[in-house]
Amino acid sequence: ETGVTQTPRHLVMGMTNKKSLKCEQHLGHNAMYWYKQSAKKPLELMFVYSLEERVENNSVPSRFSPECPNSSHLFLHLHTLQPEDSALYLCASSQSQGGGYYEQYFGPGTRLTVT
Amino acid sequence: RKEVEQDPGPFNVPEGATVAFNCTYSNSASQSFFWYRQDCRKEPKLLMSVYSSGNEDGRFTAQLNRASQYISLLIRDSKLSDSATYLCVVVDTGRRALTFGSGTRLQVQP
Repeated sequence: ETGVTQTPRHLVMGMTNKKSLKCEQHLGHNAMYWYKQSAKKPLELMFVYSLEERVENNSVPSRFSPECPNSSHLFLHLHTLQPEDSALYLCASSQSQGGGYYEQYFGPGTRLTVT
Repeated sequence: RKEVEQDPGPFNVPEGATVAFNCTYSNSASQSFFWYRQDCRKEPKLLMSVYSSGNEDGRFTAQLNRASQYISLLIRDSKLSDSATYLCVVVDTGRRALTFGSGTRLQVQP
């Protein structure tokens, strides 16, 4: 029912591992987003790719590295994570025009646990 | 002061009740506003955009008050299926900033 898919749905990784999260949207949108949702905290916008331009939250640590090879695919590369990075990582897509963000459609998320 | 603030609730209301949530924002340059709902352990889903003149979608009414810098969501004739967390989103196009509130939890009881 959702036009945004994410894989894997669950991931457990050690602090020295390297892994990648994948997101794909089938809605013809031109903007994609990564969010982090931790327990009892608001959704935190990590990265935005809009018309191939990246806009990022400067508070996101460099151990998170996004990649957007085209308007339909988005990756989040993870390396040397910390236990506090355990969270639900949500991908979203929307139309974007003139710097504005329109209604977003979310994927089901990847539940990440860092041990 | 947080950029976007919501009363976390929970709001416990009986079926058929009318309930309203507010969401205040601190950035007067904000231009776009949305309401999302999030069910437990699910992703957020768009409920409605909020237009300057106010808008209605069935039992749901959204209002924007720019002078006081808040948006509101009114739910009439509450259903059990309305139980969820309601998130407001505020967008500042100039700063390319998009901020979610922490959500208001609604529990509709039989």
